Amino acid sequence: EDQVTQSPEALRLQEGESSSLNCSYTVSGLRGLFWYRQDPGKGPEFLFTLYSAGEEKEKERLKATLTKKESFLHITAPKPEDSATYLCAVLSTGGGNKLTFGTGTQLKVEL
Amino acid sequence: DSGVTQTPKHLITATGQRVTLRCSPRSGDLSVYWYQQSLDQGLQFLIQYYNGEERAKGNILERFSAQQFPDLHSELNLSSLELGDSALYFCASSVEVGRAGNTIYFGEGSWLTVV
Repeated sequence: EDQVTQSPEALRLQEGESSSLNCSYTVSGLRGLFWYRQDPGKGPEFLFTLYSAGEEKEKERLKATLTKKESFLHITAPKPEDSATYLCAVLSTGGGNKLTFGTGTQLKVEL
Repeated sequence: DSGVTQTPKHLITATGQRVTLRCSPRSGDLSVYWYQQSLDQGLQFLIQYYNGEERAKGNILERFSAQQFPDLHSELNLSSLELGDSALYFCASSVEVGRAGNTIYFGEGSWLTVV
């Protein structure tokens, strides 16, 4: 069974203080690793998909990287509007056609 | 706006009742997924349909059922509701059946409160 573990559970940063969120996964065969952002009471908003180890993708202050066992979401010089829960999910060869999600990292960026 | 539309946005109902949640996928998307998100758990996969046929089943209770209609909209039916069924229910859609390269987009969810 696919497993996704995210850490830390919660992270508090000062504006401009860069950091990284971790997503460790165990799958039978990775078809894709997804990052989503979720605001309270809202649906997950797609950020990135990564397919193979070594791949990197960037969007504004966010950069996602992938290894064979984990993915990192790097946040550079965050702003208060980056505050949200960041979710990691995997699509695997053994998991059928569903995304398996981690429980997320709740990020709060303060002035 | 992801293009996935869910109704109703909020619903309050009593234990033992039955409700139907509705989802319209993004234009052109053939695959629909249903997820449940409660406070103490992450997003839990319930069921997936592709072009009207069930393709994958997750931890969906027997009291719950879903279907996808010829116009590709989907409905999730929840019956004999219990307090523990209170949660956010999300619908998501993609072009194909979870193929790598297909982004899965989520709707804004339906808040269900069972009292």
